[in-house]
Amino acid sequence: EVQLVESGGGLVQPGRSLKLSCLASGFTFSNYGMNWIRQAPGKGLEWVASISSSSSYIYYADTVKGRFTISRDNAKNTLYLQMTSLRSEDTALYYCASLGYWGQGTLVTVSS
Amino acid sequence: DVVMTQTPPSLSVAIGQSVSISCKSSQSLVYSDGKTYLHWLLQSPGQSPKLLIYQVSNLGSGVPDRFSGTGSQKDFTLKISRVEAEDLGVYYCVQATHFPYTFGAGTKLELK
Repeated sequence: EVQLVESGGGLVQPGRSLKLSCLASGFTFSNYGMNWIRQAPGKGLEWVASISSSSSYIYYADTVKGRFTISRDNAKNTLYLQMTSLRSEDTALYYCASLGYWGQGTLVTVSS
Repeated sequence: DVVMTQTPPSLSVAIGQSVSISCKSSQSLVYSDGKTYLHWLLQSPGQSPKLLIYQVSNLGSGVPDRFSGTGSQKDFTLKISRVEAEDLGVYYCVQATHFPYTFGAGTKLELK
């Protein structure tokens, strides 16, 4: 069974940092490009960042470019999202996804 | 960025009724490999999104054949034949041909 389990969310003050993790199992993680996608409360889905299977290609949404860093460790079957200079508008449920498979999300709340 | 225009924003249906959802993109979604990376997702209440249809017309794993996808280039349609109670939720189209990936605003399917 494919599983994507996110962790690392929480309440953080504006300007601070947070690192999300996503542990994958049930499929060959190293063969798949992966994404972080977020959903603000009561809103639609917003793509945040993508990374290719070997980390050769990385893309970011303009809204997070320069502040967020996506990375992966294929030996650990884990995807990461390092978030810095957090803003209130970054408050959302963050999903780890291959598009074909989605985790349950981890909630990031940016508030003083 | 590719703009995904999804209509209608909401649908009120009776069980057993058939419905269609439209998704139009601001530019062609045909990638250089000849494939079209237009997918449909369903987010049931309180759940993570689930892949229904990938690459325009291919059923996701375990998705009943009441769901079908058609379209090409810039114009796509999701059809649900004989709606069942488990089909309720918000449907999203997403294009993964061009970065940034972009989503439609969603169509909320509710019971009449």
